[in-house]
Amino acid sequence: GENVEQHPSTLSVQEGDSAVIKCTYSDSASNYFPWYKQELGKRPQLIIDIRSNVGEKKDQRIAVTLNKTAKHFSLHITETQPEDSAVYFCAASPPSLGGKLIFGQGTELSVKP
Amino acid sequence: GAVVSQHPSWVICKSGTSVKIECRSLDFQATTMFWYRQFPKQSLMLMATSNEGSKATYEQGVEKDKFLINHASLTLSTLTVTSAHPEDSSFYICSASPLSREAFEQFFGPGTRLTVL
Repeated sequence: GENVEQHPSTLSVQEGDSAVIKCTYSDSASNYFPWYKQELGKRPQLIIDIRSNVGEKKDQRIAVTLNKTAKHFSLHITETQPEDSAVYFCAASPPSLGGKLIFGQGTELSVKP
Repeated sequence: GAVVSQHPSWVICKSGTSVKIECRSLDFQATTMFWYRQFPKQSLMLMATSNEGSKATYEQGVEKDKFLINHASLTLSTLTVTSAHPEDSSFYICSASPLSREAFEQFFGPGTRLTVL
């Protein structure tokens, strides 16, 4: 079945710097890759997603890139701010699982002012 | 749009009692709802998938007789933790996929923190 690996598990950056989180997946049929931001004790919130027919998507300071050949996708946050501090989860959705999301292990991002 | 609510937001119960958690899609109809459990500093672990009007599908290792799921309508799913024990203490989160969107988009509820004494 699908397996998603996420790195790094923790990431500390200075305010204004960029942050990159990477995920790899195992099922080449996966066709949907969302990224969620979860603040402590709160719900995961969808921040950006990408489908397998697109290589890159950008929304203001956030971008996601997808390399289907290598089976990895990355989240890029530019000009980081302290409020970006949270745990970020990537996920993959193989069609065979009927809409289920397989989550990565999470990355705790800390943005220091 | 695409708002999901959960009730209660937190609950404390005695060992051996049952607890019911409700998950509602407020402004859309959901073909499918998912139930997750999350332990501190860990990822979301899918427990089960429920479709309106049919039996839930449980993930391997999840006891279906302990975690009862009912998806009575296109806007409501409930999770009942029966005979709860301290090891069931966790953060339970539901998500819902809107009818009008592609099947794999999920929107999460705010979660329910269960503490079993």
